Amino acid sequence: GAGVSQSPSNKVTEKGKDVELRCDPISGHTALYWYRQSLGQGLEFLIYFQGNSAPDKSGLPSDRFSAERTGGSVSTLTIQRTQQEDSAVYLCASSLAHGSGYNEQFFGPGTRLTVL
Amino acid sequence: AQKVTQAQTEISVVEKEDVTLDCVYETRDTTYYLFWYKQPPSGELVFLIRRNSFDEQNEISGRYSWNFQKSTSSFNFTITASQVVDSAVYFCALSGYSSASKIIFGSGTRLSIRP
Repeated sequence: GAGVSQSPSNKVTEKGKDVELRCDPISGHTALYWYRQSLGQGLEFLIYFQGNSAPDKSGLPSDRFSAERTGGSVSTLTIQRTQQEDSAVYLCASSLAHGSGYNEQFFGPGTRLTVL
Repeated sequence: AQKVTQAQTEISVVEKEDVTLDCVYETRDTTYYLFWYKQPPSGELVFLIRRNSFDEQNEISGRYSWNFQKSTSSFNFTITASQVVDSAVYFCALSGYSSASKIIFGSGTRLSIRP
């Protein structure tokens, strides 16, 4: 079946504009995660959703960042008033979230955001 | 707090040499998972291995081997007889033991294998 998809693959925007990044998780995956990879850096956790529980927003770097997950499926990460330091690759991952064992996270191809 | 440290930012070796990538982690959890991922120049994340905190047995998969030592909070990765195709950024990572848990990544080690 299809993997995690993200759109757009590339986004160039001007400083101060708002952007929306979309993630389509694997069908049936109830957990969805957003990560950010700045140039030459590791992946930084941003936020995750699990079913109907309140999302874990502990990784969001500022109140300019927010995310929604509508209908337990598609998620949108919104960055308001973008800054140059927001330039990064934004990765989405999804997983099952059942049982007590590990559920592998499957990563999407990422959205490369460039803020000019 | 959870943290993963990969002190080696970049490593460069000649093909066929063995190379070890270091990883040290911090967590207050008594149960957790550890991972290694590979990120080749194409950018996608490739899952390599997952170990749970109960299992300290070393693992070997072909030219890859992993040494997990709880006593030193380390999970090192060795590539034997390295090849040019091994050139990539390698990330060590840590997650909780619940059915859905965020992954905390190290900053990565860029490995270059010279022919």
